[in-house]
Amino acid sequence: SQELEQSPQSLIVQEGKNLTINCTSSKTLYGLYWYKQKYGEGLIFLMMLQKGGEEKSHEKITAKLDEKKQQSSLHITASQPSHAGIYLCGADKGGTSYDKVIFGPGTSLSVIP
Amino acid sequence: SQTIHQWPATLVQPVGSPLSLECTVEGTSNPNLYWYRQAAGRGLQLLFYSVGIGQISSEVPQNLSASRPQDRQFILSSKKLLLSDSGFYLCAWMGGPGELFFGEGSRLTVL
Repeated sequence: SQELEQSPQSLIVQEGKNLTINCTSSKTLYGLYWYKQKYGEGLIFLMMLQKGGEEKSHEKITAKLDEKKQQSSLHITASQPSHAGIYLCGADKGGTSYDKVIFGPGTSLSVIP
Repeated sequence: SQTIHQWPATLVQPVGSPLSLECTVEGTSNPNLYWYRQAAGRGLQLLFYSVGIGQISSEVPQNLSASRPQDRQFILSSKKLLLSDSGFYLCAWMGGPGELFFGEGSRLTVL
């Protein structure tokens, strides 16, 4: 089954700085999802990537899926305190089912005003 | 619009006591429902998933069970809690491929 790794584990940036979070899969991804979690709350869906080379944006957050569909990056431009939280990548456990989503360990982001 | 609710929000239980966490969804019918657990050092782990009433798929062998007595109700239970059951439990429903909508979470501390 699918396994996901994320790097870095945690990140502290100054407000206004750009940052990148990476997600790597042990198998080809048929769907890669990015979520954000505020501390102590449920996750919020950000975006879904399916095609190799695909890129999507949500406000100041841009995510890309590489051509081989085994790695995704999430990039935040001009970070703000509201971007702070835990970012998790998710993928379909079975590879193609779209029914069961598993998640990476998450990247904790702190933004210093 | 669709909403999802979980309760209780927090609870502290002794080892060996029973557990019941409830999740209900409104504004949608026949949703896929999920229970996840988030614990320190173990990330967000898929525990159970259900595609319909009485249909439960267990993803990880453990001390917990799940039931779906009604279309929009999902219950997580245990007969006897272990210390390792402590964590943040999240219920979710799937609105589209990979798009999960999560509840507010239930934080369980087993002492």
